[in-house]
Amino acid sequence: GAVVSQHPSRVICKSGTSVKIECRSLDFQATTMFWYRQFPKQSLMLMATSNEGSKATYEQGVEKDKFLINHASLTLSTLTVTSAHPEDSSFYICSARPGGDNEQFFGPGTRLTVL
Amino acid sequence: GQSLEQPSEVTAVEGAIVQINCTYQTSGFYGLSWYQQHDGGAPTFLSYNALDGLEETGRFSSFLSRSDSYGYLLLQELQMKDSASYFCAGDATNKLIFGTGTLLAVQP
Repeated sequence: GAVVSQHPSRVICKSGTSVKIECRSLDFQATTMFWYRQFPKQSLMLMATSNEGSKATYEQGVEKDKFLINHASLTLSTLTVTSAHPEDSSFYICSARPGGDNEQFFGPGTRLTVL
Repeated sequence: GQSLEQPSEVTAVEGAIVQINCTYQTSGFYGLSWYQQHDGGAPTFLSYNALDGLEETGRFSSFLSRSDSYGYLLLQELQMKDSASYFCAGDATNKLIFGTGTLLAVQP
């Protein structure tokens, strides 16, 4: 089956620093990757859609200058949380969709804690 | 806007059958998916309805009625390991919109 990995699984950082999260499709090429954020006991909220070789499409209310997304290859997308603050602490989950396929495969998530 | 509403919590006993409902307000969903998420884990795909009607996958079944903007997930022969959060997700153009989620607690 299709496998998506994320790194790191957990990260703790100080307020004001930037954190990069990687999302990789291990056994398929993903033309589209998605980034979600999930606060405790809440649903997954789509932050942005990342297409290989083009700019990401951000959902309403998501600051593109704060959450930088780079989808440089068909197997890797990165999310950088810039100048992180405690309110950015959350569970960040990526998913990837193979070309021509509607099904999304989810990564294991990255738990970010900003002190 | 697009929204999918689910009951926040459901409790059932081992071996029973439980139905988790999902009502949505939107236009343009191509289908409805269901995902399971254990605490701290990634969502895992359970079922997808592209057409109206019932889809059966083992102990899990899912139903969709577009005319009623309604779907449900049916879990049979409940097991303790089924305790988790369940999300419906609308398949919009090139993206999934997740429902509010239902926390299922299975009791012995």
